[in-house]
Amino acid sequence: DTGVSQDPRHKITKRGQNVTFRCDPISEHNRLYWYRQTLGQGPEFLTYFQNEAQLEKSRLLSDRFSAERPKGSFSTLEIQRTEQGDSAMYLCASSSRPTLQSTDTQYFGPGTRLTVL
Amino acid sequence: RKEVEQDPGPFNVPEGATVAFNCTYSNSASQSFFWYRQDCRKEPKLLMSVYSSGNEDGRFTAQLNRASQYISLLIRDSKLSDSATYLCVVNPKAGNNRKLIWGLGTSLAVNP
Repeated sequence: DTGVSQDPRHKITKRGQNVTFRCDPISEHNRLYWYRQTLGQGPEFLTYFQNEAQLEKSRLLSDRFSAERPKGSFSTLEIQRTEQGDSAMYLCASSSRPTLQSTDTQYFGPGTRLTVL
Repeated sequence: RKEVEQDPGPFNVPEGATVAFNCTYSNSASQSFFWYRQDCRKEPKLLMSVYSSGNEDGRFTAQLNRASQYISLLIRDSKLSDSATYLCVVNPKAGNNRKLIWGLGTSLAVNP
């Protein structure tokens, strides 16, 4: 399977704990995105990498959230001092640079479902 | 006005029916448009990109009306497996997919 993968698929943690999620994009994709999705809502953009550079962060991404993509391949999203409001599905997507023949279509991983107790 | 608006439904239709969803967007300069499908507790999956000339993929037809700022998705001969949430997605800038704007989705239930 050469799609986007995420690990873990589910995470249950106690309030105040730190959690880290991993995303492995499609290998030839240089763009990587993190989203958060809660029930009944569309995905909310969190942050974006082009290769190893984090080019944009949403205002939704508080100081407790940090994301890295150190070698331009996999990425990690860390949440420190988790709160109950952090409970959501965290989705990773990747895409390649658009060309004249193709748009910059994003492909999603299966997500990490976080439950903060 | 929301940037992307969809009727949340649910749409309940019998197998074999034709069903259409509309989605309106507020930014007239928006560049590209997509329909994603999302099954319950799963990730969104690209269903179709939407081109100015309209495009068809099997039972699915997508159309764009720039003048009225809406896109549509038509599903013909609906199957039980079409039951899902259909998300309308708008890219406000060419070559920049960092800030895709997502609708809340339209829920479809196809009944036997």
